[in-house]
Amino acid sequence: AQKVTQAQTEISVVEKEDVTLDCVYETRDTTYYLFWYKQPPSGELVFLIRRNSFDEQNEISGRYSWNFQKSTSSFNFTITASQVVDSAVYFCALTQGGSEKLVFGKGTKLTVNP
Amino acid sequence: GAVVSQHPSWVICKSGTSVKIECRSLDFQATTMFWYRQFPKQSLMLMATSNEGSKATYEQGVEKDKFLINHASLTLSTLTVTSAHPEDSSFYICSADPSGQGPYYGYTFGSGTRLTVV
Repeated sequence: AQKVTQAQTEISVVEKEDVTLDCVYETRDTTYYLFWYKQPPSGELVFLIRRNSFDEQNEISGRYSWNFQKSTSSFNFTITASQVVDSAVYFCALTQGGSEKLVFGKGTKLTVNP
Repeated sequence: GAVVSQHPSWVICKSGTSVKIECRSLDFQATTMFWYRQFPKQSLMLMATSNEGSKATYEQGVEKDKFLINHASLTLSTLTVTSAHPEDSSFYICSADPSGQGPYYGYTFGSGTRLTVV
């Protein structure tokens, strides 16, 4: 069965520090998609990135970067020069069994202090 | 961009009453919508997949008669918590597929509904 593990429950950093959020996944599928979502205190989930299993290229978008490594079944997310507005819960997710369904990790609560 | 509107944002109801939560896709048609439940400091657990014009598909362990889902149009899905009890208190969040092509382009989520049953 698909599973997503986000071992870091809470992380607290000071503004401008870099921070990496870990995500390890388990799946028997050869084709799958991985996602990162941000959930600010307001509650809605904001889509950040999608990666398919055949594309191991790392991606950078502004201060955000993602490192996808199939060899270790990891899809880690790094925020460079963190800002207070980055404070949120971040979820890693995996498609389930080739279906439309998403399996979410338990999330990592990031607090960026001024 | 694709927007999903969810109402109400929060609701308090008495034990034994029913509560309806609406999920609307504002600028796209959604054949499929998903309903999740999130407990405090917990992950999102998929409750059911709502399909326009047909019966919803519930995940294992979710009571169909307690959580009634209706997806009568391409822009509206509703979740009704019937005979609510305090243990139903939770954060309910819906999502929809703007592209109609599954998760490839990412799903859009509503802002969630905080239900408190007293």
